[in-house]
Amino acid sequence: GENVEQHPSTLSVQEGDSAVIKCTYSDSASNYFPWYKQELGKRPQLIIDIRSNVGEKKDQRIAVTLNKTAKHFSLHITETQPEDSAVYFCAASIRNTGNQFYFGTGTSLTVIP
Amino acid sequence: DTEVTQTPKHLVMGMTNKKSLKCEQHMGHRAMYWYKQKAKKPPELMFVYSYEKLSINESVPSRFSPECPNSSLLNLHLHALQPEDSALYLCASSQRNGGSDTQYFGPGTRLTVL
Repeated sequence: GENVEQHPSTLSVQEGDSAVIKCTYSDSASNYFPWYKQELGKRPQLIIDIRSNVGEKKDQRIAVTLNKTAKHFSLHITETQPEDSAVYFCAASIRNTGNQFYFGTGTSLTVIP
Repeated sequence: DTEVTQTPKHLVMGMTNKKSLKCEQHMGHRAMYWYKQKAKKPPELMFVYSYEKLSINESVPSRFSPECPNSSLLNLHLHALQPEDSALYLCASSQRNGGSDTQYFGPGTRLTVL
């Protein structure tokens, strides 16, 4: 099966700075890579996703990049705000295997005001 | 309706009790999922239903019994649980199960087993 590694496990940034979270995957058949944000006591919420036919996707302050050759993808948050503080999970899904998501271990992001 | 809902929000049960968790979606999604999540860990897949049929069972103990009465509803029946089963139980749904589709999560049921 797929193995997704995520780094760092914790990240603290000053408000207004950028945050970058990186994930690597092992199966070259993975073709869908969502990112979820989970605030304390709440549900995981999709914040951005990317498919394997695209190298980069941006939505306001959030962007995701994908390098299929190196099998890694990254989440970039610019101009961080205290409300960005949460646990972020990356995931990968392998084509035609029942939409099973393989999650990374999570990154706890703290934005210091 | 663009949400997945779950009831109850919180559940406390003894090891001899029988209880059920419920999940509902009205987005026309044909795949539904049960996950278990421990604090600060990623969601751990338990079961997948595709077109109301069980398609994945991740070697979950038989004290957890899923049921999909129709395309909008998903239940998880609990019996003779252990304290280590205490966790957040998340339901999710996606349009299909064959491709790579976004999964939308419900708010979860916080389960405590005494």
